[in-house]
Amino acid sequence: DAKTTQPTSMDCAEGRAANLPCNHSTISGNEYVYWYRQIHSQGPQYIIHGLKNNETNEMASLIITEDRKSSTLILPHATLRDTAVYYCIVSNAGGTSYGKLTFGQGTILTVHP
Amino acid sequence: DSGVTQTPKHLITATGQRVTLRCSPRSGDLSVYWYQQSLDQGLQFLIQYYNGEERAKGNILERFSAQQFPDLHSELNLSSLELGDSALYFCASSVAPGLAIGDTQYFGPGTRLTVL
Repeated sequence: DAKTTQPTSMDCAEGRAANLPCNHSTISGNEYVYWYRQIHSQGPQYIIHGLKNNETNEMASLIITEDRKSSTLILPHATLRDTAVYYCIVSNAGGTSYGKLTFGQGTILTVHP
Repeated sequence: DSGVTQTPKHLITATGQRVTLRCSPRSGDLSVYWYQQSLDQGLQFLIQYYNGEERAKGNILERFSAQQFPDLHSELNLSSLELGDSALYFCASSVAPGLAIGDTQYFGPGTRLTVL
C-alpha cells in the first residue's frame, strides 16, 4: 500500500479555512486519494476522494499536486463540529487487499471558538 | 446517517464467550467490509465480502469469522473472546468489489465490544 504522512495535530479558528496536508510520495498511477474523518468514536465519515484533478463537494475541497505526491484537504469555513481526526488514505487498487482502506494515525484537527 | 446499520450498539460479555455482530449495508451496495478499532492498534481492516463471497482478508484472527448472506447483510462472529478483543467494530459498505474505480466506502456507527 502507498504510505501517507500527515501532521499529528492542527488547530484552526472557527470560521477560517482549515488546510490539512498529506504526503503520499509512493502513490501509484491508479490509486485514489481518500479523506475520511472520525468524530470521537463514531464511524468514519467519508469526505471526498480524487485521482488526479482537484475535487470539490458540499463538505470540502481536495487539491492534488500535479505529480500526485501530496494533497491538501480544505474545509472552507471550519466550525466547532469539524473537530475530529482526519485520515488521508491511498486506495489499494489491486492485489489481495483489493478493497481495504488502510488507516494511519491521521491528523487531529481542533477548531477553536 | 450513512445508511449502514449495525447491531447491537454495545455488547458486554465475558472471556471465552462467543458473540455475533450484525451489519446491513446501504441499499444497492454489494460489498461489506469489517474493521476493528482498538486503542493501541487504530483502525484495522479485517475482512471483505462481495455479493456473498469472501473478497479480501486482513489481520483477522482465526477465532473470528464472517459471512455475507443472500440478502447482503453480514455477520462477524467472534469466539473464544479475550480481553484484547475489546474494541469498536465497524462495518462499511460499497457498491463495487474494490477501490480501483474510485468507489466509496460508507461506515456504520459501530458496535462497541467489551470483554470482561
